[in-house]
Amino acid sequence: DVKVTQSSRYLVKRTGEKVFLECVQDMDHENMFWYRQDPGLGLRLIYFSYDVKMKEKGDIPEGYSVSREKKERFSLILESASTNQTSMYLCASSLLAPNTGELFFGEGSRLTVL
Amino acid sequence: AQSVTQLGSHVSVSEGALVLLRCNYSSSVPPYLFWYVQYPNQGLQLLLKYTSAATLVKGINGFEAEFKKSETSFHLTKPSAHMSDAAEYFCAVSDRGSSASKIIFGSGTRLSIRP
Repeated sequence: DVKVTQSSRYLVKRTGEKVFLECVQDMDHENMFWYRQDPGLGLRLIYFSYDVKMKEKGDIPEGYSVSREKKERFSLILESASTNQTSMYLCASSLLAPNTGELFFGEGSRLTVL
Repeated sequence: AQSVTQLGSHVSVSEGALVLLRCNYSSSVPPYLFWYVQYPNQGLQLLLKYTSAATLVKGINGFEAEFKKSETSFHLTKPSAHMSDAAEYFCAVSDRGSSASKIIFGSGTRLSIRP
């Protein structure tokens, strides 16, 4: 069974802390994504990566960075967490080709910044 | 530019009743269309997808959706709701041939089932 695993389901951090969210997939997918989910706003793309060490900004990259040192792992980094980054974060992966747009999601990481 | 509109942020139906969740899209090229479901405290999982074969697409758990190009719609239906269908549902659109990043999600519809 295909699997995308997010290391932390629930996190509570303080304003200004550095936060790491880790995501691992076992499907040998080229593409990996980080989305943010907020009520009434759907899913918004933060960053994506189509290859190791490659990254592209999504729709809302401000305040975030990413790292992809290995094909199976994609990390989201909040350099200095702020309260407006309290949200559900979803990692996803997909094949580069054929590109049908089908995404495989992890279970999500709910971050609260106090 | 692509866009997706889901009509109704919250839909409530009785157990056994018809489920209809509405989705309209805008795309300048033939699209791929998807419905994803999110159960409480979980990630999203694919319910069904339209990629250009039959316009009536059958998915998991008895759901189906019909692609109507003339109406730019991709509504999700299920003939008889079950309590386990309570979840949030997202419609999404992707242009054929575009990069995987160009997947646009709707704002979601929360489905509640009344006993």
